[in-house]
Amino acid sequence: GAGVSQSPSNKVTEKGKDVELRCDPISGHTALYWYRQSLGQGLEFLIYFQGNSAPDKSGLPSDRFSAERTGGSVSTLTIQRTQQEDSAVYLCASSLTSVVTDTQYFGPGTRLTVL
Amino acid sequence: AQRVTQPEKLLSVFKGAPVELKCNYSYSGSPELFWYVQYSRQRLQLLLRHISRESIKGFTADLNKGETSFHLKKPFAQEEDSAMYYCALGSGGYQKVTFGTGTKLQVIP
Repeated sequence: GAGVSQSPSNKVTEKGKDVELRCDPISGHTALYWYRQSLGQGLEFLIYFQGNSAPDKSGLPSDRFSAERTGGSVSTLTIQRTQQEDSAVYLCASSLTSVVTDTQYFGPGTRLTVL
Repeated sequence: AQRVTQPEKLLSVFKGAPVELKCNYSYSGSPELFWYVQYSRQRLQLLLRHISRESIKGFTADLNKGETSFHLKKPFAQEEDSAMYYCALGSGGYQKVTFGTGTKLQVIP
């Protein structure tokens, strides 16, 4: 079956604009995760969803970042008033459940460039 | 706070030589440890997890709680092993996974 998909694959925006990044998890996966991968950095956890609820938003770097998930499926990560330091690859992953031993399956990522 | 340290950004080895990618962690509870790999132009994917005690593509990793390490090893490197490797630590009842900064493995023919 299809894996995790993300769109767009690349996004170039101007500083101050808002962007929306989309993630389509594997069908039936109840858990969904957003990570950020900056140049020279590891993967930084942003937020995790179990169903449509986000029990852990602790990784969101500022109040300009928000995320939602609808229908237990698609998730959107929104960054308002983008800054140059937001430039990174944003990765989405899903797993069957949120049990730590369940495998996370990653999408191809969205490369965000803020000019 | 939990932390994962991968001290080497780049590791270059010759084909056929042994490989050891280092990973140290800091966590007060009982850790779940993973190695993820990202080959060129491919997605990040799980390589192995300590709980499974498995060998994948010839790689193994042993959890050493005394040294808080989870080094990834392979006795004979292959060119196709060239990739970015991330050590990751899972904690709590759910998958809040903390990743290291990654080590790029370069296998020289």
